[in-house]
Amino acid sequence: DAGVTQSPTHLIKTRGQQVTLRCSPKSGHDTVSWYQQALGQGPQFIFQYYEEEERQRGNFPDRFSGHQFPNYSSELNVNALLLGDSALYLCASSLDLRDTEAFFGQGTRLTVV
Amino acid sequence: AQRVTQPEKLLSVFKGAPVELKCNYSYSGSPELFWYVQYSRQRLQLLLRHISRESIKGFTADLNKGETSFHLKKPFAQEEDSAMYYCALYNAGNMLTFGGGTRLMVKP
Repeated sequence: DAGVTQSPTHLIKTRGQQVTLRCSPKSGHDTVSWYQQALGQGPQFIFQYYEEEERQRGNFPDRFSGHQFPNYSSELNVNALLLGDSALYLCASSLDLRDTEAFFGQGTRLTVV
Repeated sequence: AQRVTQPEKLLSVFKGAPVELKCNYSYSGSPELFWYVQYSRQRLQLLLRHISRESIKGFTADLNKGETSFHLKKPFAQEEDSAMYYCALYNAGNMLTFGGGTRLMVKP
């Protein structure tokens, strides 16, 4: 089991562009959460997906949206990129909604120029 | 709103010295607290959780509800303990709130 996998590992985008990040959860996990980690800070919760629906959302604008597919993989989309969106984006999966142990991917480093 | 505070950005100790990484939280409900660790060039991984009350790699953490703290301790630090440590709180809304992290450096 490769654990949680994310793609791409690095990405450079221009202000105003749109980006899509991808995540495959750990085998057997059906719940996926996304976090943004700015340089020198702890991860911040963006949202969580379960049964293809957004279940919880942190304090992020509507420019951040997501999707979960029937195979439990997930995408994070960010529209109208700002310089401040530059960060490491982490995906985490857990067994189900009740499971509190999160397994993290290596992250996607997004740089907005 | 919940909040997790790790007051030290960097903690530097010598090998064999005791270590205490501080974590304070604010949360109106009954919290579930965790310590996550990130070794160099590795992914964030769970170190321990308060409900299991176990010792992992010699580390322990006790939840003190009176002081709203969940400090991580190890009696004798090893060089391989050098890493970033994050305290996190899991709330009823199924989201983890992380502190800003403490970098532990264990010198030989």
